[in-house]
Amino acid sequence: GAVVSQHPSWVICKSGTSVKIECRSLDFQATTMFWYRQFPKQSLMLMATSNEGSKATYEQGVEKDKFLINHASLTLSTLTVTSAHPEDSSFYICSARVWGGEAGELFFGEGSRLTVL
Amino acid sequence: KNQVEQSPQSLIILEGKNCTLQCNYTVSPFSNLRWYKQDTGRGPVSLTIMTFSENTKSNGRYTATLDADTKQSSLHITASQLSDSASYICVVFLSGGYNKLIFGAGTRLAVHP
Repeated sequence: GAVVSQHPSWVICKSGTSVKIECRSLDFQATTMFWYRQFPKQSLMLMATSNEGSKATYEQGVEKDKFLINHASLTLSTLTVTSAHPEDSSFYICSARVWGGEAGELFFGEGSRLTVL
Repeated sequence: KNQVEQSPQSLIILEGKNCTLQCNYTVSPFSNLRWYKQDTGRGPVSLTIMTFSENTKSNGRYTATLDADTKQSSLHITASQLSDSASYICVVFLSGGYNKLIFGAGTRLAVHP
């Protein structure tokens, strides 16, 4: 099946710094990618929908200036956590949607664990 | 309001036993329903895809059912193994060109020896 790769898989940063997480579709083009965050023992929470060549669509309550999303190519979307604080520590996961068939398929990356000190 | 509810929230079973996870949804317009398995610290992996016309689909020891009339789905795990310990997430895809997915909160399954 299609592969979605995230990088880095884990990152530790100081409070106030910015962190960029990359999400790549390795063997297919993805016009739409999704970003989620997941706290321990909780389910995925959709943060935003990343659309290639246009602005991302953010879910209610997600600060667009805090979580910058860029989807400049058909194989790469990035999430930048700006001025990170300890409460931003979480597991961030991306997914890419492949269209076709019954609403296509959804492939997830392996996730990126962010720890803000 | 589009919602996907899963039960139980968590479940502990002994190795070798069977179990069934439930997913109820109120989503419109419905396209299909998927079950994903998420190991701790990993991304979710697709188990099954259920379209409106399908009632049952199997993937090894996993069998998913769908009742489109009652808007219920179940995931049955047979002869559980320790490696089945994970979170199981029910996701409903909307149709009609909507780029929208509705996630359930997941069921955390622990298989003990």
